[in-house]
Amino acid sequence: GDSVTQMEGPVTLSEEAFLTINCTYTATGYPSLFWYVQYPGEGLQLLLKATKADDKGSNKGFEATYRKETTSFHLEKGSVQVSDSAVYFCALSEGQAGTALIFGKGTTLSVSS
Amino acid sequence: GAVVSQHPSRVICKSGTSVKIECRSLDFQATTMFWYRQFPKQSLMLMATSNEGSKATYEQGVEKDKFLINHASLTLSTLTVTSAHPEDSSFYICSASPVSYEQYFGPGTRLTVT
Repeated sequence: GDSVTQMEGPVTLSEEAFLTINCTYTATGYPSLFWYVQYPGEGLQLLLKATKADDKGSNKGFEATYRKETTSFHLEKGSVQVSDSAVYFCALSEGQAGTALIFGKGTTLSVSS
Repeated sequence: GAVVSQHPSRVICKSGTSVKIECRSLDFQATTMFWYRQFPKQSLMLMATSNEGSKATYEQGVEKDKFLINHASLTLSTLTVTSAHPEDSSFYICSASPVSYEQYFGPGTRLTVT
């Protein structure tokens, strides 16, 4: 079945450091790919998405490129802030609208000043 | 943006009792809603897919008689944990999907069964 694998955390960085969180997937078809963020005490929020190969999703300084050849969707940010501390989930969705998401296990990011 | 609410945000109940959790889409209609369960430091696991006006579709290993789902309208789905036991303690999250690939998540409900 479809699955998502993301790097285990926690990831601990100093403010303004470069961030990469790796995410790879297995899927039978051509999924849409997502990154969700969960801030402490809050629900999941969509951070960015890409719906086809070579698409780049971006938001709030975060970027991820849908790489079909490597089945990857790594999350990057050039300069992290303390406010980026959260849990980040990579996810995929196959098929049409209304299809459930398959999540990775989540990566906790902790940024210190 | 699309907002999904859940109520209650936290609930503590005694073993053997039932608990109902509501999930509402506040500013859009959701034909489909999803219920997930999140264990500490683990990912979200899909429990069931709820379609308005029809029976929910449960994932393998999820007891449909224990986790009753009702999707009575295009803006409301409820999850009832029946005869709750301590092992049912968890974080339950719903999401709602309008007519796009995106899902909008509720803030979650922390259930503690004593």
